[in-house]
Amino acid sequence: DSGVTQTPKHLITATGQRVTLRCSPRSGDLSVYWYQQSLDQGLQFLIQYYNGEERAKGNILERFSAQQFPDLHSELNLSSLELGDSALYFCASSAKLLAGHTGELFFGEGSRLTVL
Amino acid sequence: AQSVTQPDIHITVSEGASLELRCNYSYGATPYLFWYVQSPGQGLQLLLKYFSGDTLVQGIKGFEAEFKRSQSSFNLRKPSVHWSDAAEYFCAISGGSYIPTFGRGTSLIVHP
Repeated sequence: DSGVTQTPKHLITATGQRVTLRCSPRSGDLSVYWYQQSLDQGLQFLIQYYNGEERAKGNILERFSAQQFPDLHSELNLSSLELGDSALYFCASSAKLLAGHTGELFFGEGSRLTVL
Repeated sequence: AQSVTQPDIHITVSEGASLELRCNYSYGATPYLFWYVQSPGQGLQLLLKYFSGDTLVQGIKGFEAEFKRSQSSFNLRKPSVHWSDAAEYFCAISGGSYIPTFGRGTSLIVHP
């Protein structure tokens, strides 16, 4: 158990809909990362938050947004969903801003999104 | 820009056999390097990491990896594979942006 909690574990929805994925980082971790894992793209970095502020952006679509709340949990909002958004969405956390220095991201078990 | 290549999509080994998973990276300087493992239905777990110093690093579950600067490689090895090692293995690099970039992964299949 990594200590990172993601809900829901599975989600099935229709094209055009909007969903929210939730992540609770490990206790004490200030930095949250969102990754998308799909068969054709592999594991792609989407966005990072540190202590409530956006710190880095990767290949995140404009239809997607995220935020980190004062209690440090984070939500990833996916809107106007398309078939191609079907993927496993991972949240990871680390204690420090610069995860590369700590060497480790702690991953949740992921939220599997299926868009029909 | 930083990138990671894992040339093998699938690797099949017999239980008890040795294992080597390949990882090549592209980065202008010495990066931070990692291997993660993803078991079915699970998130990624760190196996080992290289920052500097000894180029042979030991990790959990009996895994080790060797950093070779001249070959831009960070291959993962295990002398004797167990059936429970069947999983997806990801090499990752962290360079100037400090955001880990992951390879496409290698799926390890273990035959009894």
